[in-house]
Formats: sequence, structure tokens, C-alpha cells
Amino acid sequence: AQSVAQPEDQVNVAEGNPLTVKCTYSVSGNPYLFWYVQYPNRGLQFLLKYITGDNLVKGSYGFEAEFNKSQTSFHLKKPSALVSDSALYFCAVRDTGRRALTFGSGTRLQVQP
Amino acid sequence: GAVVSQHPSRVICKSGTSVKIECRSLDFQATTMFWYRQFPKQSLMLMATSNEGSKATYEQGVEKDKFLINHASLTLSTLTVTSAHPEDSSFYICSASIEANNQPQHFGDGTRLSIL
Repeated sequence: AQSVAQPEDQVNVAEGNPLTVKCTYSVSGNPYLFWYVQYPNRGLQFLLKYITGDNLVKGSYGFEAEFNKSQTSFHLKKPSALVSDSALYFCAVRDTGRRALTFGSGTRLQVQP
Repeated sequence: GAVVSQHPSRVICKSGTSVKIECRSLDFQATTMFWYRQFPKQSLMLMATSNEGSKATYEQGVEKDKFLINHASLTLSTLTVTSAHPEDSSFYICSASIEANNQPQHFGDGTRLSIL
């Protein structure tokens, strides 16, 4: 069975500082990894994905994520946080045998001005 | 591109009412759509996989007679919560993706269901 862990319920960072939101995963086959962001009372917006290739993936709104196979991690990063980045972030995994996503528990990012 | 529209965005109704939620892929065809449920301050839980032209596949513990799914066309899936009760109150979200394993799922904006 596939699973995703987001160890931090909340991450606080000052505007302009770099941010990291952590994610580790477990799958039986090759992982397809995704990051989504959710604003209040809204659905999820796709940020970026890792399928294969370069371990550093660049996505929307200046976000990027680093795939680390040995550590089974896929941490989300941004060099300089904005107050508007404050939202709920979900890491998700899909293995090759199943199209549905398995989500982590979510991490609330709070960027302080 | 790849827009998913979900309607209605909010429903408030009395206990015992049946509620239908629509999920449409606006600019692409989706043979498969997914329905998720999200409780307050929690993650998304997959309820069922909606398959165009065939029966939905339900996750363990999800009552198929309570949550009826119909996927009659390549751009529309509906979730009907039958005889809804207060414990069915939740945020329901659908998703769809262009056919290919490496394509991301795109989500509707969700439906907030409140049963009085």
C-alpha cells in the first residue's frame, strides 16, 4: 500500500525567508509525486509533479521540490516566501498500478509579514 | 487548460434529503474521475473512482448505496448523497485527469454539504 507522511502540521516562516514543507512517501513501485495547495473552501491547485528525470522539479508560483530516492522524500521549497503563500499544502503519491492519489495529512503554511 | 468544474459549491438542506453534486471536465475528456471527502482540518480521503460507462469502484468502508455515482459521459460525473444525515456533512471534492499516468489530477472547487 502506498502512503505519504507530512510530519509538520504547521510551518511558520517570515516573508522573504526560504521555506520548506516536508514530505516522505512509501510505494511499492516507481513513485509519481505531486504537490497541491488548498486555499480556504476551495479545491486543490496543482503546483508540481515528479515522474522521472531531474531530481529538482520546478513548479508554479516559484515553488520547487527535490526528489530524494534514498530518503524517500519529496520536500517542497521556495527561496523567498510571500504572505500570499499562506495556505494548506498537500503532498500526494500515485504508484504505477493505481491512478487515484494518496494524500498526506497536509501542512499549514503561515507566512508572517 | 484542464479545468474541472464542480457544482454546487454549497448546499444546506434538511436531514433525509438527497443531494446531487456534479463534476465536469470543461476542456478535456476524462474516462476516470475521483471523488474525495475532506473533514475539517483533515486530509482528503478517496471515496470512489468513477468510471465512464461502468460501475464506480468504491473504497473500503464507503457505502455504495449511500453515495451513488454516475459517470454517463466523458465530461460528467455525479455524486448523489442519498437520504443525507448530519454525519454526511463534509466537504466533497472531485478530480479528473487527462488519460496518462504522468498527468496530474485537476480538482474542482469542492462542495460544502451541511445537513441540518
